[in-house]
Amino acid sequence: ELKVEQNPLFLSMQEGKNYTIYCNYSTTSDRLYWYRQDPGKSLESLFVLLSNGAVKQEGRLMASLDTKARLSTLHITAAVHDLSATYFCAVALNNAGNMLTFGGGTRLMVKP
Amino acid sequence: EPEVTQTPSHQVTQMGQEVILRCVPISNHLYFYWYRQILGQKVEFLVSFYNNEISEKSEIFDDQFSVERPDGSNFTLKIRSTKLEDSAMYFCARGVGNQPQHFGDGTRLSIL
Repeated sequence: ELKVEQNPLFLSMQEGKNYTIYCNYSTTSDRLYWYRQDPGKSLESLFVLLSNGAVKQEGRLMASLDTKARLSTLHITAAVHDLSATYFCAVALNNAGNMLTFGGGTRLMVKP
Repeated sequence: EPEVTQTPSHQVTQMGQEVILRCVPISNHLYFYWYRQILGQKVEFLVSFYNNEISEKSEIFDDQFSVERPDGSNFTLKIRSTKLEDSAMYFCARGVGNQPQHFGDGTRLSIL
């Protein structure tokens, strides 16, 4: 059974600071996704990581994937209040269709 | 603007009743998914539906649940004999292959 774990579960940080969210998964996969969810809203796709060493950046967010370590990171640079949300990683197993297994989410609060 | 539209946005139902949640794609797609998210918890896969057949389903998707595409457009999730623990946000998504799954705005289901 695939397990996906994120840490931290909750992160409170000051504007301008840097931080990293970690996503570990238990079974070999080279398809990993990051989503953002605002309170009471849907999930918005942020990044798709499809190979070992993949790195994607959008604004103040950068995601990377290490398939050997079964680890993905979401790095936040110089955080701003607008980044406050819950961030989920999700993994799709190789050769197992498109079912996504989500991590528990990291609730990020950026304080002015 | 979401790529799938879900109705209703909020459904309140007495325990034991049947509910039907609907998903309408903006454009013509063959691959759909249903996920649920209990308040404050992670997103859980229920079922994937491809070319009018169930492709994958989770342990959550038991005999209480069913999916169909009755008119070739709307994609429905039916929950029979609802229970209190069925209260959650239900998300429809579409996507294929390595592309990210795009989620609708969700239906909040409240069982009384």
